[in-house]
Amino acid sequence: DTAVSQTPKYLVTQMGNDKSIKCEQNLGHDTMYWYKQDSKKFLKIMFSYNNKELIINETVPNRFSPKSPDKAHLNLHINSLELGDSAVYFCASSHPNGGTPEAFFGQGTRLTVV
Amino acid sequence: QKEVEQNSGPLSVPEGAIASLNCTYSDRGSQSFFWYRQYSGKSPELIMFIYSNGDKEDGRFTAQLNKASQYVSLLIRDSQPSDSATYLCAVIAGNNRKLIWGLGTSLAVNP
Repeated sequence: DTAVSQTPKYLVTQMGNDKSIKCEQNLGHDTMYWYKQDSKKFLKIMFSYNNKELIINETVPNRFSPKSPDKAHLNLHINSLELGDSAVYFCASSHPNGGTPEAFFGQGTRLTVV
Repeated sequence: QKEVEQNSGPLSVPEGAIASLNCTYSDRGSQSFFWYRQYSGKSPELIMFIYSNGDKEDGRFTAQLNKASQYVSLLIRDSQPSDSATYLCAVIAGNNRKLIWGLGTSLAVNP
């Protein structure tokens, strides 16, 4: 069973569209994250949720809106997509209060905006 | 100064040699230190973690932590071509336990 799964794996869309990426983890972790990795391979945190509560919200355009219906799911919705949004988006989870502070990553979603 | 710094490389070593990857961090209150490996087109995967000063060995990998000097390193003994990847250093600092990432060092092991 995949520990952290995100869908879709690839997403090609036109500028101005709205799209969502879904993430689910079956590790029982209480914290989930969205990361963005750009073409220069820099891994940057976007959001972090702990038990459905937003705890980290980095400087990200408000076109990006995370939603966590429960602690096993963290989705990312992006409005009015721009060319600069093209990147690989990784979902991750961890359980810092349970002794697992390190992050486990999903396989990534490669978003291409044309 | 960046919070977590790594030499971007590429670091090139011959097969069988020792690869040495270094990482420095700025927050003296950092408590947990991680090394991730990322193959091209794949997600980062955890390979080592270290919490206390000194060395920690796991197979061909050794993590070294020196909190006084604020650096953590990763040694890969008997390097193999399959070790060719980007190695990311990550540090947990601050009360929100946020992982701070370095930019990664690209390692190429030549047969």
